[in-house]
Amino acid sequence: DAKTTQPNSMESNEEEPVHLPCNHSTISGTDYIHWYRQLPSQGPEYVIHGLTSNVNNRMASLAIAEDRKSSTLILHRATLRDAAVYYCILLIQGAQKLVFGQGTRLTINP
Amino acid sequence: DAGVTQSPTHLIKTRGQQVTLRCSPISGHKSVSWYQQVLGQGPQFIFQYYEKEERGRGNFPDRFSARQFPNYSSELNVNALLLGDSALYLCASSLALRTGGFGAYGYTFGSGTRLTVV
Repeated sequence: DAKTTQPNSMESNEEEPVHLPCNHSTISGTDYIHWYRQLPSQGPEYVIHGLTSNVNNRMASLAIAEDRKSSTLILHRATLRDAAVYYCILLIQGAQKLVFGQGTRLTINP
Repeated sequence: DAGVTQSPTHLIKTRGQQVTLRCSPISGHKSVSWYQQVLGQGPQFIFQYYEKEERGRGNFPDRFSARQFPNYSSELNVNALLLGDSALYLCASSLALRTGGFGAYGYTFGSGTRLTVV
């Protein structure tokens, strides 16, 4: 399974930007980069995904390095509701599954 | 539009019993996947179904089985329950296409079924 590496935990303050890093040095040219987050007692929630170019949506931005070996999820203005475990996942072209690691536990301070 | 719905939300079973969990995908989604999440860990892939055919299977024993119906809803069955089967069981649906498009779409998860085996 394609592997990603994320910090175990990060902390930020409310209303500040948050940059969540992810390393995926073994990525191949057709692997998609997916981000999900999970709040306590809930199912994972889709955040964003991309292949090569940076992506923006209403929740976040995804910045993908030029060599695609790393990416960064950007929350532009964190709120307390953004406190969750964030998972960075590589989805292999034609793959049938998401392989979750331990993710990054994000704490937001008021 | 309704999201992914799962039923029941909670249930308690005794060791050795059998359980059936149900999932209704988002309208128009033909791909349904099942995941098991044990407390403190990330979800683990169990099955994926696309247009009523099994497309992927995780490292789970044969006690676990699933099927997808013509309306794309799905059931997960677990036989001979063990204490270690206690977990949150998650269903996810996607617009994924047959022609290698599984990575090109996001997955929408339901809130899960909390199974406790005693």
